[in-house]
This record gives sequence, structure tokens and C-alpha cells, in this order.
Amino acid sequence: NAGVTQTPKFRILKIGQSMTLQCTQDMNHNYMYWYRQDPGMGLKLIYYSVGAGITDKGEVPNGYNVSRSTTEDFPLRLELAAPSQTSVYFCASSSRPSSEETEAFFGQGTRLTVV
Amino acid sequence: AQKVTQAQTEISVVEKEDVTLDCVYETRDTTYYLFWYKQPPSGELVFLIRRNSFDEQNEISGRYSWNFQKSTSSFNFTITASQVVDSAVYFCALSNSFFGAGSYQLTFGKGTKLSVIP
Repeated sequence: NAGVTQTPKFRILKIGQSMTLQCTQDMNHNYMYWYRQDPGMGLKLIYYSVGAGITDKGEVPNGYNVSRSTTEDFPLRLELAAPSQTSVYFCASSSRPSSEETEAFFGQGTRLTVV
Repeated sequence: AQKVTQAQTEISVVEKEDVTLDCVYETRDTTYYLFWYKQPPSGELVFLIRRNSFDEQNEISGRYSWNFQKSTSSFNFTITASQVVDSAVYFCALSNSFFGAGSYQLTFGKGTKLSVIP
């Protein structure tokens, strides 16, 4: 009964370093999403995927990249970390688009600090 | 453009009091969906309810109830007899039904932090 699993839970990066946030789901959902949550703000969509091999930009994609080689996995890559990317990152998945009447299931989040 | 406003940044209540969390939304779509999520101190997001734009019936689930009013573009959330375990950040979110740019995202409000004091 794992649902959506994100790793790591916490990470500190130095400016200019790169890293990959991992996300995997075991519900066979086609739709997956990456959001960031800044302090005192709601979540903003970074990238989403409608199925293996298909990804697209969300509201705030700059500085990030994604890939979707399998249905289960949707990693998020930061190439050159910047302090503005300090945030909590959430991965989510859903069986249908979020535009339809279905809830998204969220991972527990990754708290990233760039120093 | 879609927008969700949760005007209450933080609310504190004493245990057993009732509390209402406000949510006002803006959309030009005629068909849309509204959601409430709970984010407890542990950080994960927990789905609470969804409502489509054609269903204005209020809903009650235990101590939770939701009041959806299209005339005022509001989808308010009431907790009756609040408990300490209700302490969390609550997010209201909106999605539209159009297929295309923006159709795959939920637009979130900034959240309301609820603290229930024993």
C-alpha cells in the first residue's frame, strides 16, 4: 500500500550542484505531476506527464527537467541548483487528468535547501 | 485565468469549537472541479473532498462539512467540534475540464493554517 514514494525526504545542495528527486508510484496511474511549495504559498505545477514517454511543462518549469521512461517513475532533475529552488517538492499521480473528477495522490514531499 | 483565494492565513480555535475555512475561486469555465486537501505537520497532502461545478449539494462527512455556492464562487469548509488532530494547513484547489493548456493542473490557494488549542 505504498502509493506515491519520494526520495530523498531532505537534501541540502550547494549552488550550482545538480541532483535528481525520485518519484515512484505503484497504482499504475498514467498521470504524474511535480509541484513545488514555497513558504506560505500554495503548490505550483512544475512539470507533468500523461504517460510513459510524454511530458510537458507546467507553470514554473525553468531550471528543471523531467523524464518518464516507465509508468511508475517520474524523476525531477535540477541541473544547476539556485537558492530560488529552495522549496518543498511534491510528486503526485492520478488515474485521470486532474481536470476530471479524480483526486491526485501525493507523496510525502522532499524538502530541498540550496545554500 | 484560474485563481483560488484563501483569505485566512492562520486561524486558532480552542478544542471543540466550530471553525469555517473560506475558499473563493475564479474561473471562466462552466465545468470545473473543486478540492480540499489537508497537510498535517508531517507534510503529506491528504485528499478530503472533490465537488464538480454542477453539484451544489452540501456534503457532510462526520465532523466535516462543505458548503458550495456558485452564486458567490465559494467552497467553504467547516469543522464541527474541532480536535487537536485537526491542526494542519488546509488547501482549496480548482481544476477545469478543458483539454489543453492548463487542463492538467490543480490551481491551489495559499492555504489556511489551523491550530486547535487543547
